[in-house]
Amino acid sequence: KNQVEQSPQSLIILEGKNCTLQCNYTVSPFSNLRWYKQDTGRGPVSLTIMTFSENTKSNGRYTATLDADTKQSSLHITASQLSDSASYICVVVYNNNDMRFGAGTRLTVKP
Amino acid sequence: DTAVSQTPKYLVTQMGNDKSIKCEQNLGHDTMYWYKQDSKKFLKIMFSYNNKELIINETVPNRFSPKSPDKAHLNLHINSLELGDSAVYFCASSQGWPGGFEKLFFGSGTQLSVL
Repeated sequence: KNQVEQSPQSLIILEGKNCTLQCNYTVSPFSNLRWYKQDTGRGPVSLTIMTFSENTKSNGRYTATLDADTKQSSLHITASQLSDSASYICVVVYNNNDMRFGAGTRLTVKP
Repeated sequence: DTAVSQTPKYLVTQMGNDKSIKCEQNLGHDTMYWYKQDSKKFLKIMFSYNNKELIINETVPNRFSPKSPDKAHLNLHINSLELGDSAVYFCASSQGWPGGFEKLFFGSGTQLSVL
């Protein structure tokens, strides 16, 4: 069954700290993996897109990693800011056009 | 100058009513989508249109009918609303297909509450 599972479900950290969010998937055949940020009451916004040949991709303080062999990805946030409080959604594209969304990790950054 | 705009933002209605949600994108994209985000926050695709042609039609009740008058617009009409239709509905667009590494741009969502 094609699944995308994220952990933790929620996370609270202090401003300035780093954190890592996890994504494990079973979908195949794999096309690419995406991380989205969804602020409360808003639509998801794309952070990174990675193919199976890419191990890491950065977007400012966000760094995504991908291990296509173990079917795992992570999103590392460095020097967190209050504005990083949001849900982070892992999405795997497979069969070229099918997309499977994870349930997201709810991140809260406290001052 | 919002890239993908959908209206209304909030929609509260009674069971059995018919309602529509409108979506417009000014990005010149060829492909538009409707997604449903349920209470568990999973986003699931409902429909996808490419150049006004229906491409993806997931298993959704036929009470849901998308309409694309032109490639910049994809509206969602829902007949005979049920309690279980309560969710947040997102419109999105992309230049090409996700398999081609195209970014999806999402609207802000329409929160539908059926009473």
